[in-house]
Amino acid sequence: GQSLEQPSEVTAVEGAIVQINCTYQTSGFYGLSWYQQHDGGAPTFLSYNALDGLEETGRFSSFLSRSDSYGYLLLQELQMKDSASYFCAVKSGDYKLSFGAGTTVTVRA
Amino acid sequence: GAGVSQSPRYKVTKRGQDVALRCDPISGHVSLYWYRQALGQGPEFLTYFNYEAQQDKSGLPNDRFSAERPEGSISTLTIQRTEQRDSAMYRCASSPYRPGTGAGEQYFGPGTRLTVT
Repeated sequence: GQSLEQPSEVTAVEGAIVQINCTYQTSGFYGLSWYQQHDGGAPTFLSYNALDGLEETGRFSSFLSRSDSYGYLLLQELQMKDSASYFCAVKSGDYKLSFGAGTTVTVRA
Repeated sequence: GAGVSQSPRYKVTKRGQDVALRCDPISGHVSLYWYRQALGQGPEFLTYFNYEAQQDKSGLPNDRFSAERPEGSISTLTIQRTEQRDSAMYRCASSPYRPGTGAGEQYFGPGTRLTVT
């Protein structure tokens, strides 16, 4: 099976940088995804890392270390609209995605 | 282009009734997934289709739940003899064929909020 751990809540001010860590245990590992979900909305895809290292997409970056079973999502130049839940998800096979419980990010003015 | 659509968006039903939830994936996406999402939790995998073939139904809670995708496009999740514990948000997602990423990149629909009274 799979288990993922990520902090339940993070609060930061506008303009700050937030790092959401995700550690996982899985019987098979293909990659780590990140999704954003606003209240009342659908999860939206942010990034996918299959290889070690940092991937940058605008203000968001995602990092993976396969040897440490660890990844993180970095949110830079925080904006109010970034207030949302963020989920890490392990791809453990060709098609299986297992989600963590999510981290609620609250951005304060 | 159009995203994943689901209908109905809300469904209230009485215990013991059957319900059918519909998902229309993004055009051209061969992979389709059904999830259930409890409040404050991440989506929980129910079943997966590759084209019309249901390749994994290991997440379906019991045999009252079934799903089909007969023509490799629209899918229906059916719950028979609904129970109150079936109340949840049911989400559908689809993903394009993308070597290396595959299921890691999924596009979710708005969900169907099912309430069983």
